[in-house]
Amino acid sequence: DGGITQSPKYLFRKEGQNVTLSCEQNLNHDAMYWYRQDPGQGLRLIYYSQIVNDFQKGDIAEGYSVSREKKESFPLTVTSAQKNPTAFYLCASTPNLSGEETQYFGPGTRLLVL
Amino acid sequence: GDSVTQMEGPVTLSEEAFLTINCTYTATGYPSLFWYVQYPGEGLQLLLKATKADDKGSNKGFEATYRKETTSFHLEKGSVQVSDSAVYFCALSDLPNNDMRFGAGTRLTVKP
Repeated sequence: DGGITQSPKYLFRKEGQNVTLSCEQNLNHDAMYWYRQDPGQGLRLIYYSQIVNDFQKGDIAEGYSVSREKKESFPLTVTSAQKNPTAFYLCASTPNLSGEETQYFGPGTRLLVL
Repeated sequence: GDSVTQMEGPVTLSEEAFLTINCTYTATGYPSLFWYVQYPGEGLQLLLKATKADDKGSNKGFEATYRKETTSFHLEKGSVQVSDSAVYFCALSDLPNNDMRFGAGTRLTVKP
C-alpha cells in the first residue's frame, strides 16, 4: 500500500534538546511539506521541498530545520531554539506543483515537552 | 496573501440533521479549493475538492460548490450521521508553490 508514514506517533522533548520527526512516502511524490497544528487552529506551514536537495521556508520556520536527501524522506528537526514546540506535526506530499494537486497527509506526530 | 475563513465551531447536530459549514476565501489567482476531514488523533483526509468556478465536489454525501462570485466553498450534507463527527478544514491551493492555506477548522459533533 502506498502512503505516508510518520514516526514516532508521540515524542517527548526535554529542555534544550533537539528532536527529529520522521516522514517517509512511497507515493513517488515530488513535493513534501511540514505543517504544525495547534489546538483550535488550522495548519501552518513550516517548510516545504519541491525537489531533492532543495527546500524552502514556510510561514513559521524559525526554530526548525529540514533536509531532503532522498525523494521519499523529509525529516523535520525541532531545535532548542523553538521555545514552544508542543503541537501536532503533520507531513504531506503532492505529485507535482500544478496547483491542482491534492496534498496527502501522514497520521501525524504529537510532540510534548517534558 | 491568500487566506481561508470558515465558520467557527463547535457545531452540534442531531443525527439526520442538515449540515452547512461556511467557507470563504481570498486569493489573487484561481485557486483549487478543498475540504479535508480530521478524525481524533489522525492526519487529514481529503473529503472533496473543486478546481475551477462552478465545479461541485462531492463525496460520502457531502457536497461543496466553487462559487467565484461570492468567493465561497460551503460544505453541505443532507443527513449527518454519528460517524461524521470530526473536524472539517476548508483549504485552498494556488500557484506557484502549491502550499495549502487552511481555515481554522470546524468541529462537528453528531448526537444519536
